[in-house]
Amino acid sequence: GQNIDQPTEMTATEGAIVQINCTYQTSGFNGLFWYQQHAGEAPTFLSYNVLDGLEEKGRFSSFLSRSKGYSYLLLKELQMKDSASYLCAVFDSNYQLIWGAGTKLIIKP
Amino acid sequence: IAGITQAPTSQILAAGRRMTLRCTQDMRHNAMYWYRQDLGLGLRLIHYSNTAGTTGKGEVPDGYSVSRANTDDFPLTLASAVPSQTSVYFCASSDGQTGELFFGEGSRLTVL
Repeated sequence: GQNIDQPTEMTATEGAIVQINCTYQTSGFNGLFWYQQHAGEAPTFLSYNVLDGLEEKGRFSSFLSRSKGYSYLLLKELQMKDSASYLCAVFDSNYQLIWGAGTKLIIKP
Repeated sequence: IAGITQAPTSQILAAGRRMTLRCTQDMRHNAMYWYRQDLGLGLRLIHYSNTAGTTGKGEVPDGYSVSRANTDDFPLTLASAVPSQTSVYFCASSDGQTGELFFGEGSRLTVL
């Protein structure tokens, strides 16, 4: 079956760096997405990786290793507003999006 | 402001009742989707439409139906609601090029 694993919850300190991991086993691969979802709100797009390597976008970076079925989202200079759930999703061979359950990130002062 | 509008934002419904969740987008996206989101689970696809006039079943289609009469509207109907359909429902659209999804604000449905 298809599966995406990410930690359920993480805690980090304001101003620090946190890495949220995502591993996947899917029938084919056509790209990996990260979305941010604040409590009670809709998910919003953060990043898309289709090739191996690191994509940097401001304080957020996303890394992909297709051979390892692995990605991470790196958040630097954490701010209180970064408290949210972070969703990993993979396009499989049929371009169907498979979603992880999300990682709830708690930022402490 | 361009985007996706869902209605209602919240609804309490008696079991057995019929309910339609409305979704309208003004971005002229071809693809539209309905997801449900439950605590501890990832977003699960209910139905989708790749273009006006076509629909398809997702991962959890039972008890739900959709229609796509035009590009902008994609309503989701629960013919006879059951308590297990208590969830937050998100409508989303995509231009089909980048794969990025744009989500509506969600409809919180409680079936008693």
